[in-house]
Amino acid sequence: EPEVTQTPSHQVTQMGQEVILRCVPISNHLYFYWYRQILGQKVEFLVSFYNNEISEKSEIFDDQFSVERPDGSNFTLKIRSTKLEDSAMYFCASSRDRESTPLHFGNGTRLTVT
Amino acid sequence: GQNIDQPTEMTATEGAIVQINCTYQTSGFNGLFWYQQHAGEAPTFLSYNVLDGLEEKGRFSSFLSRSKGYSYLLLKELQMKDSASYLCAVRDGNYQLIWGAGTKLIIKP
Repeated sequence: EPEVTQTPSHQVTQMGQEVILRCVPISNHLYFYWYRQILGQKVEFLVSFYNNEISEKSEIFDDQFSVERPDGSNFTLKIRSTKLEDSAMYFCASSRDRESTPLHFGNGTRLTVT
Repeated sequence: GQNIDQPTEMTATEGAIVQINCTYQTSGFNGLFWYQQHAGEAPTFLSYNVLDGLEEKGRFSSFLSRSKGYSYLLLKELQMKDSASYLCAVRDGNYQLIWGAGTKLIIKP
């Protein structure tokens, strides 16, 4: 069964540094998402991406964040000038459409900012 | 504002049945999803309801009442591996997925 893959599985970075989290969505999916989950808390929506542009973004997704689909397969989340509170699990997800099909999640990248 | 409520934690016995409730208030409705999430892992899709009624899938069933803004996930013949968090998520009128905080289910032998 096709799956969403994320790299790296763990990332440790120093405060103020930039990180890029990478995702390969399922190949025939058209909608891509980034979510984050701080340890012990709920899943939080960051951004959705369709047709090579951002379709929705949350209040969390400020100028510190950006997304890109640099080629036909990768979908990246860049976090500039990381802060301690950016430490979380970041999940990439994809879906075939935005109506009835479920989101398929990658295994996540655990980001630790020190 | 938009809100999804689920119990924080539930405990059940191996082999038994448990029902996890979810109530929602959203701006519009375009379907409700249940996901299972083991600690430190990604959410995995369990079920989808868009019309009122019961959807059955093996040991798991999900029910929806749109007029009451209410759903439940029913797990039968509980196994130890069912110990996980169960997340209720609703697609609102803008097709944005609104997530509940999840219900941590503890299964005891």
